[in-house]
Amino acid sequence: NAGVTQTPKFQVLKTGQSMTLQCAQDMNHEYMSWYRQDPGMGLRLIHYSVGAGITDQGEVPNGYNVSRSTTEDFPLRLLSAAPSQTSVYFCASKLLAGGYNEQFFGPGTRLTVL
Amino acid sequence: KNEVEQSPQNLTAQEGEFITINCSYSVGISALHWLQQHPGGGIVSLFMLSSGKKKHGRLIATINIQEKHSSLHITASHPRDSAVYICAVSLGGNQFYFGTGTSLTVIP
Repeated sequence: NAGVTQTPKFQVLKTGQSMTLQCAQDMNHEYMSWYRQDPGMGLRLIHYSVGAGITDQGEVPNGYNVSRSTTEDFPLRLLSAAPSQTSVYFCASKLLAGGYNEQFFGPGTRLTVL
Repeated sequence: KNEVEQSPQNLTAQEGEFITINCSYSVGISALHWLQQHPGGGIVSLFMLSSGKKKHGRLIATINIQEKHSSLHITASHPRDSAVYICAVSLGGNQFYFGTGTSLTVIP
């Protein structure tokens, strides 16, 4: 079991460039989510999905796009990178059934936008 | 408005000391989670609890539902315990709220 995997681990972009952060899990979890982590702030939810074909916005969705074509994969797209998107991004997954379930996190992607 | 508050923000301890990190929350929860994040590393779940107390090795987590408060204790601290400890709460759906973390440094 690889758990939750993310690629790349590090990325540097120029303002205006686009890119996709990859996330995959092999635990057959229905729920997947993307968070960003910034200094002095708790993890903030960007987008989430409760199953293939179903996605929804979290707390900070602007500038990001997601899709969920399979249970395993949940890529995050930056449409036109901005310096404010410099952050560490974590993908997470869990079973769907409510709040009493552990979330499993990927290793993170450290993104710098110049 | 922060649904989850942690204290202290930073903590330095000598090896062997007993450590306590506190977490208070303001919403009704399904469960409280303690997470660990090593420098440059990912986030791993240490505990998930909805009542009482759980123990894993030198780590103990307690929760008081009435007071909306949880503590994470580390006994006989070791430099490898140096990490950021994050308190999170999960609500009845799939929503999570996260604290800002407590950065712990244990000095040999």
